[in-house]
Amino acid sequence: QKEVEQDPGPLSVPEGAIVSLNCTYSNSAFQYFMWYRQYSRKGPELLMYTYSSGNKEDGRFTAQVDKSSKYISLFIRDSQPSDSATYLCAMPSGGSNYKLTFGKGTLLTVNP
Amino acid sequence: DAGVIQSPRHEVTEMGQEVTLRCKPISGHDYLFWYRQTMMRGLELLIYFNNNVPIDDSGMPEDRFSAKMPNASFSTLKIQPSEPRDSAVYFCASSSAGGNQPQHFGDGTRLSIL
Repeated sequence: QKEVEQDPGPLSVPEGAIVSLNCTYSNSAFQYFMWYRQYSRKGPELLMYTYSSGNKEDGRFTAQVDKSSKYISLFIRDSQPSDSATYLCAMPSGGSNYKLTFGKGTLLTVNP
Repeated sequence: DAGVIQSPRHEVTEMGQEVTLRCKPISGHDYLFWYRQTMMRGLELLIYFNNNVPIDDSGMPEDRFSAKMPNASFSTLKIQPSEPRDSAVYFCASSSAGGNQPQHFGDGTRLSIL
C-alpha cells in the first residue's frame, strides 16, 4: 500500500461549484498535512497546511483532517477558472519534517 | 523577490550523454531539495541538503545520479550516463529552517532523453 493515495481525476466542474479533493494515507505517525497547488508548467506552491484533526479555513479554501480514518480533504467554495490546476496533498515522512511524500495530484478544471 | 531559479528550462539529449541541471535557491534558505515528477510516479524527493550538506539521498534512483551543493547559492543534479527512463520534470525547491516552513519550488527542468 502506498503511503499517500490521491485520485488523479481529472475533475471538471462549472464555475461557482464546490469542489472536494481527497487523499488517504497509511502511516498514522504523520503529524501534519499540506496541500500544494501546481499550475501547468509551473512548480508546486503551498496552499494550506494543518496540524491536527478538524478544519482549517482560508478564504474560499478549507482543509479537513480526519486522523481516525487517515483521510484529508480540501474544499474549494465558489470555484473560479483561476483555480484550474493540479492539487497535491503532501505529508512529512521518514522521520523528518523536511522529507515530504506527495500524492500524485488531482487535475481540476473549472469551466466558466 | 527572486524565487528559486532553475536552468535550463528544457533539455533534450541523447542516451548516454551527461546531463547537468542547475539550481539557485532563495537567498537565506537553509534547505534545498531536488525532486523528480513523472506521470507514473508523481513527485518524488531525490535528495535534500541542509546548509550545503546532503542529509538524505535515499530517493536517488541509481549511482548514475549525483547532486552537489558547493555553496549556499548553487546546486547541481547530474545524470551520467543518461537513459530514456530518466525523462521527467526535475524540480528544485528551497525552504527556511522549521518543519512547517513551505518549500518554494522553481519552475522545473523538463528533461527528455532520446
